[in-house]
Amino acid sequence: AQSVTQLGSHVSVSEGALVLLRCNYSSSVPPYLFWYVQYPNQGLQLLLKYTTGATLVKGINGFEAEFKKSETSFHLTKPSAHMSDAAEYFCAVSDAAANAGNMLTFGGGTRLMVKP
Amino acid sequence: DSGVTQTPKHLITATGQRVTLRCSPRSGDLSVYWYQQSLDQGLQFLIQYYNGEERAKGNILERFSAQQFPDLHSELNLSSLELGDSALYFCASSVDFAQNQYFGPGTRLLVL
Repeated sequence: AQSVTQLGSHVSVSEGALVLLRCNYSSSVPPYLFWYVQYPNQGLQLLLKYTTGATLVKGINGFEAEFKKSETSFHLTKPSAHMSDAAEYFCAVSDAAANAGNMLTFGGGTRLMVKP
Repeated sequence: DSGVTQTPKHLITATGQRVTLRCSPRSGDLSVYWYQQSLDQGLQFLIQYYNGEERAKGNILERFSAQQFPDLHSELNLSSLELGDSALYFCASSVDFAQNQYFGPGTRLLVL
């Protein structure tokens, strides 16, 4: 079984500061890892994903994440927060096996607040 | 706009009732997924269909059922509704079961 833990249900940063959202996963098989963002009253939008290859993954809106197998982590970062980054962020894992159905297991989410 | 549409956007109903949520995937996507987002359970995978066939099942209650039709749209049927079924229900679609999932805007269900 797979699971995802997001440390910190709420994170507050100042505009222009570094954003760091933490995600640790548990998986018995090689995982695919994802970060999604959810703006108020909207669906989830894919920010970035890791499948195989380069462990540093760049996504949209200046976000990036690094897959660290030894730490079972996939933390999301952005060098400089913008007011428009305020949203809820979800880390998710799926089974990389081709016949696994590709269902996503989500973490509890982290609400990012950006102070002016 | 992800290209995934869900209707209705909002639904208010009473306990014991039955409702149907509808999802139209992005053009060309064969796989449809249903997720439930609630305050106490978070985001949970319910069920997946691929080209009309059930592909994977998650934490879906027996009172809930789904299907995918030949035109690839999907319906999620929720019956004998309870207060705890109040949640946001998302549909997502992907080209294949190994590709990116694109989420619809969700249907917000309130059971009174």
